[in-house]
Amino acid sequence: GAGVSQSPRYKVAKRGQDVALRCDPISGHVSLFWYQQALGQGPEFLTYFQNEAQLDKSGLPSDRFFAERPEGSVSTLKIQRTQQEDSAVYLCASSLDSQGNTEAFFGQGTRLTVV
Amino acid sequence: TQLLEQSPQFLSIQEGENLTVYCNSSSVFSSLQWYRQEPGEGPVLLVTVVTGGEVKKLKRLTFQFGDARKDSSLHITAAQPGDTGLYLCAGARNFNKFYFGSGTKLNVKP
Repeated sequence: GAGVSQSPRYKVAKRGQDVALRCDPISGHVSLFWYQQALGQGPEFLTYFQNEAQLDKSGLPSDRFFAERPEGSVSTLKIQRTQQEDSAVYLCASSLDSQGNTEAFFGQGTRLTVV
Repeated sequence: TQLLEQSPQFLSIQEGENLTVYCNSSSVFSSLQWYRQEPGEGPVLLVTVVTGGEVKKLKRLTFQFGDARKDSSLHITAAQPGDTGLYLCAGARNFNKFYFGSGTKLNVKP
């Protein structure tokens, strides 16, 4: 498809398990963002990539969270030793340029439930 | 702590009514965006406003950016059931990092 694709759509993890969430941005999009959306809240910024460079990771809540985009296209958000407070929808967005002047397109998100 | 406060949090109205949603902050933003999000989906961009005092219209939706670029409003005229959803404002302090409000959940009853 032509949109941002995230997988899996739903993930149930046992507390302490590691998880990896994948984002396929729109082809050619330079900027890629990860957001965390808790139930009933707006999305919270996690991290930002410009091509393969992670320019801002100030929103990652702990060192258990790690994101990469090694070839400047697909990105993976990894959460180690998941905790119940990590339960949320993780949204990925991409935009064409790096100046914020073009629309950011969001994927449908991955709903993570930690039990 | 949310950088952007949205009000009201919830709004339930009858079809045909008008409504206004507010997005306020003490911070200045280089641009502000409004999104609509439906359950199980990601947010979809409605509009971007950049200039203080700017007004943009999208059919029955009117968006305004405050003169000081700290606040914004979304006005819907003659709301329809299809307008139901979560409305989010998001402000950029540099072009690549957006701060979202907590959203206004709108329900328009037929």
